[in-house]
Amino acid sequence: DTAVSQTPKYLVTQMGNDKSIKCEQNLGHDTMYWYKQDSKKFLKIMFSYNNKELIINETVPNRFSPKSPDKAHLNLHINSLELGDSAVYFCASSQLPSTLPGDEQYFGPGTRLTVT
Amino acid sequence: QKEVEQNSGPLSVPEGAIASLNCTYSDRGSQSFFWYRQYSGKSPELIMFIYSNGDKEDGRFTAQLNKASQYVSLLIRDSQPSDSATYLCAVNNNYGQNFVFGPGTRLSVLP
Repeated sequence: DTAVSQTPKYLVTQMGNDKSIKCEQNLGHDTMYWYKQDSKKFLKIMFSYNNKELIINETVPNRFSPKSPDKAHLNLHINSLELGDSAVYFCASSQLPSTLPGDEQYFGPGTRLTVT
Repeated sequence: QKEVEQNSGPLSVPEGAIASLNCTYSDRGSQSFFWYRQYSGKSPELIMFIYSNGDKEDGRFTAQLNKASQYVSLLIRDSQPSDSATYLCAVNNNYGQNFVFGPGTRLSVLP
């Protein structure tokens, strides 16, 4: 019954490794997002996909690559992990693109990434 | 560059009081405004959205928007200890820009 799910919930890895986080939504939404929340709890958008098409690509290192195999899934692959990548990564989805008023985003439970 | 600002807090209020949370934004093109609540270790959840000037009420929560002043607020009446959380203000516009969150205000309701 989980609306937006992410795996894994916790991820501990060493610098230089490559890792992926997966996200799935069963709400039938057209748009999905990745956010990063750092240690100061600041929530910042990274990417947004609408119907598998990238519509928002904020200034993030190109070590981060999102992939949307279908509109219910949005995965995040991170190459050459760095200490500064440690954060909680949230996936979210919405019915409409984020350009329309009244849109609501539903968040997944988050993935806590720790890079050592 | 768009910015959404909030007082980081903590804002402490006694149980039963009115908690007032404020948010200002810099992009005059912003069209819709959201308040999310985030408990520690949990994901943000939507409380309210507003896109017209004035007040919008939902239960104990009232959102207030003043586009001329670029100001949006959230009032929580009859505050409960269970309202203790971080409240995130988020702003969106119609120009293909992204959803921008403020840094959040930590609210503590004291029993």
